[in-house]
Amino acid sequence: DGGITQSPKYLFRKEGQNVTLSCEQNLNHDAMYWYRQDPGQGLRLIYYSQIVNDFQKGDIAEGYSVSREKKESFPLTVTSAQKNPTAFYLCASSINTISGANVLTFGAGSRLTVL
Amino acid sequence: GEDVEQSLFLSVREGDSSVINCTYTDSSSTYLYWYKQEPGAGLQLLTYIFSNMDMKQDQRLTVLLNKKDKHLSLRIADTQTGDSAIYFCAERYGGSQGNLIFGKGTKLSVKP
Repeated sequence: DGGITQSPKYLFRKEGQNVTLSCEQNLNHDAMYWYRQDPGQGLRLIYYSQIVNDFQKGDIAEGYSVSREKKESFPLTVTSAQKNPTAFYLCASSINTISGANVLTFGAGSRLTVL
Repeated sequence: GEDVEQSLFLSVREGDSSVINCTYTDSSSTYLYWYKQEPGAGLQLLTYIFSNMDMKQDQRLTVLLNKKDKHLSLRIADTQTGDSAIYFCAERYGGSQGNLIFGKGTKLSVKP
């Protein structure tokens, strides 16, 4: 079955450590996205990529980094510069962003807790 | 900038209809979406509508769009306990990026 796989589901990090969240899709989608979800805050866009080897900052990119070396993969690194990293992270993908409805398909999410 | 507003909570009795409301700000032609999120899970697309439409119906779901007031609603008929979730309204940005901006979500609680 096609879909988006995020791993790990739960992750604990000590302050000062970098962590990388994995996102893999087998939907042959061009565009991929990372969102952060906090209680009562909705979804906020961290980074997005419309094509391989290219990505753009979203609304809250500070303290995060991404890469897009393969169409299927869009890992997110939460660096020690991110002051409040405890959150639920959602990865999504879509066929394209140029025209049409740009329907996003979401992964199941990764919950990061900083100890 | 663009913004999407929703009330945060809604409580209904099983079997009643639920109506979740949303307002948006983009005045250009755009797509508007409803997503559902169950606890600890990702978002699942329920339906979407283009802004030149007034209504879209899909089984128990009815979407109504008032473009003049920039008001979108999702009606769930015969609400079941399995409908308890957070419902997000989203609007597509204008421009080629096509990114979505999400509301903060409405938590629907269905009482038996």
